[in-house]
Amino acid sequence: AQTVTQSQPEMSVQEAETVTLSCTYDTSESNYYLFWYKQPPSRQMILVIRQEAYKQQNATENRFSVNFQKAAKSFSLKISDSQLGDTAMYFCAFMKGQGAQKLVFGQGTRLTINP
Amino acid sequence: DTEVTQTPKHLVMGMTNKKSLKCEQHMGHRAMYWYKQKAKKPPELMFVYSYEKLSINESVPSRFSPECPNSSLLNLHLHALQPEDSALYLCASSQLLTTVNYGYTFGSGTRLTVV
Repeated sequence: AQTVTQSQPEMSVQEAETVTLSCTYDTSESNYYLFWYKQPPSRQMILVIRQEAYKQQNATENRFSVNFQKAAKSFSLKISDSQLGDTAMYFCAFMKGQGAQKLVFGQGTRLTINP
Repeated sequence: DTEVTQTPKHLVMGMTNKKSLKCEQHMGHRAMYWYKQKAKKPPELMFVYSYEKLSINESVPSRFSPECPNSSLLNLHLHALQPEDSALYLCASSQLLTTVNYGYTFGSGTRLTVV
């Protein structure tokens, strides 16, 4: 079974700072995907960024980037120039292969951006 | 249309009531999912539908009954629920591709309170 661990229950930074959220995972699969989802108080789970395990290059989406260390099974999220709207719960998630697969979530990190 | 729409947004029901949650998407996704999320916890998978057929049931009690009448619609029928079933119920959908996985698109959820 796959497990996802987020070791930082809460984080708080000032607006415009850079923040890194940690995530580690455990799997014996070779074909898998990793995701970061954001859940603001509005409740909707929003996809922030996605990484394909077979790709060496780290994914980036505007201010969001990941540091994917496959051998270490580490998948951290970096948010640059943080904004008040980034305040949310962030979940790291794992999915194996293709098709209709279960998304396995970490426990989440509550991120607060302070003005 | 890039949304998953869930109705109702809020639902209060008694333990003897029968109610249904509805989820709809028009993105052509052929996989649909129900997740349950308790406060300050990650979502937990309940059911997976693939091509309108139930493919995964995560040992969910029979008081929860899913239904997928067509490729755009997913229902969750509720009967004789317990107060501990109070939670946010999230619906999601995804493409079914053989070579890649883009992850889920989530709805904004139904906040269910059982009294």
